[in-house]
Amino acid sequence: GQQVMQIPQYQHVQEGEDFTTYCNSSTTLSNIQWYKQRPGGHPVFLIQLVKSGEVKKQKRLTFQFGEAKKNSSLHITATQTTDVGTYFCAGNTGTASKLTFGTGTRLQVTL
Amino acid sequence: NAGVMQNPRHLVRRRGQEARLRCSPMKGHSHVYWYRQLPEEGLKFMVYLQKENIIDESGMPKERFSAEFPKEGPSILRIQQVVRGDSAAYFCASSPQGYRDTQYFGPGTRLTVL
Repeated sequence: GQQVMQIPQYQHVQEGEDFTTYCNSSTTLSNIQWYKQRPGGHPVFLIQLVKSGEVKKQKRLTFQFGEAKKNSSLHITATQTTDVGTYFCAGNTGTASKLTFGTGTRLQVTL
Repeated sequence: NAGVMQNPRHLVRRRGQEARLRCSPMKGHSHVYWYRQLPEEGLKFMVYLQKENIIDESGMPKERFSAEFPKEGPSILRIQQVVRGDSAAYFCASSPQGYRDTQYFGPGTRLTVL
């Protein structure tokens, strides 16, 4: 079945440093979504990418969808303590397939 | 516009009891999804329902677990004869259309089996 892996599993940065998480799928995706889950909270939708090579920005967050539509990345510039949480990518392979979540990257930011 | 609602937020059951988890989707959403999350792990898809129909239950364990989304009322995830391994957070999400749509998550139900 479809597998979606994320690296790293965990990253600890100091406030102000950059952070990147990478998402890799075993199959070509029709779209990729990114979610953030704060400790003890629930996943919150961040963004969806649909086109090959697409890049979208949300303030300090930059999302990219690979040319082959099998990988994606989330880059945070100048992290803040409010960025703490686990970031999940999620993708599906077509209109009738379930959303498969990645393994997640847990980000810890300290002063 | 109220978000996805789940209750109870916390549920404690003894082994062998039944757990019943409820999910009310966002207004206007007719698609509901259930996920399970073990501590420090990712979200595992369980089931996808539309009103009165199960669309995809490929992630549901074969025994003891069932789900429904009746014409009226919330979606229910039922776990019969719970075991300690069922302890997890169960999240419900809803979307206005199908799989490719953004899914909005509820706060989750934390199930603890003693």
